[in-house]
Amino acid sequence: DTEVTQTPKHLVMGMTNKKSLKCEQHMGHRAMYWYKQKAKKPPELMFVYSYEKLSINESVPSRFSPECPNSSLLNLHLHALQPEDSALYLCASSQDHRAFTYEQYFGPGTRLTVT
Amino acid sequence: KQEVTQIPAALSVPEGENLVLNCSFTDSAIYNLQWFRQDPGKGLTSLLLIQSSQREQTSGRLNASLDKSSGRSTLYIAASQPGDSATYLCAVKGIYNQGGKLIFGQGTELSVKP
Repeated sequence: DTEVTQTPKHLVMGMTNKKSLKCEQHMGHRAMYWYKQKAKKPPELMFVYSYEKLSINESVPSRFSPECPNSSLLNLHLHALQPEDSALYLCASSQDHRAFTYEQYFGPGTRLTVT
Repeated sequence: KQEVTQIPAALSVPEGENLVLNCSFTDSAIYNLQWFRQDPGKGLTSLLLIQSSQREQTSGRLNASLDKSSGRSTLYIAASQPGDSATYLCAVKGIYNQGGKLIFGQGTELSVKP
């Protein structure tokens, strides 16, 4: 099973709200990723967790706060977002981030709209 | 700095045609190259992964080739079907990119007409 699940599928939030996106995988992967994708553009890497520790932060604004409670779960906490943060947020996982030959598997994404 | 280019940006073909999608990259120092498919508003589905030491990979009607020295990869789709309509993205994992992160091309939007 090569499935990465994400909830919710759609999220509409105001600029003063706090919400969270959730990602889960049960493939035993030890690397998990958050990407942001705008319409007609390729995904942009936001964060990488390796063995439950933050490995890469691509200079993402602090209104996005990632969390990796265990090896199967990845959250993205959202606070005081701007309308330009509206996008498709994709989660991905791979067997081991440090072994660079491994394939990345993506979830279906959460469509976020900030009003 | 690694840059990935996909040509054409969009392609429309009649059903049954064989077709080739192109991906080029500027730095040949890569670990691997991955081809993805993305349906509108959906996540990415991994199609094929080619390691830097490999020349090609096949899965069903799909065949991907890699020429690392010239910085090129092609995705060949045989006997195209309307269900193949989607955006196809290639991504390279560069040796000198931080943490080996994926660098994506802009994608080719494929439409297969019945």
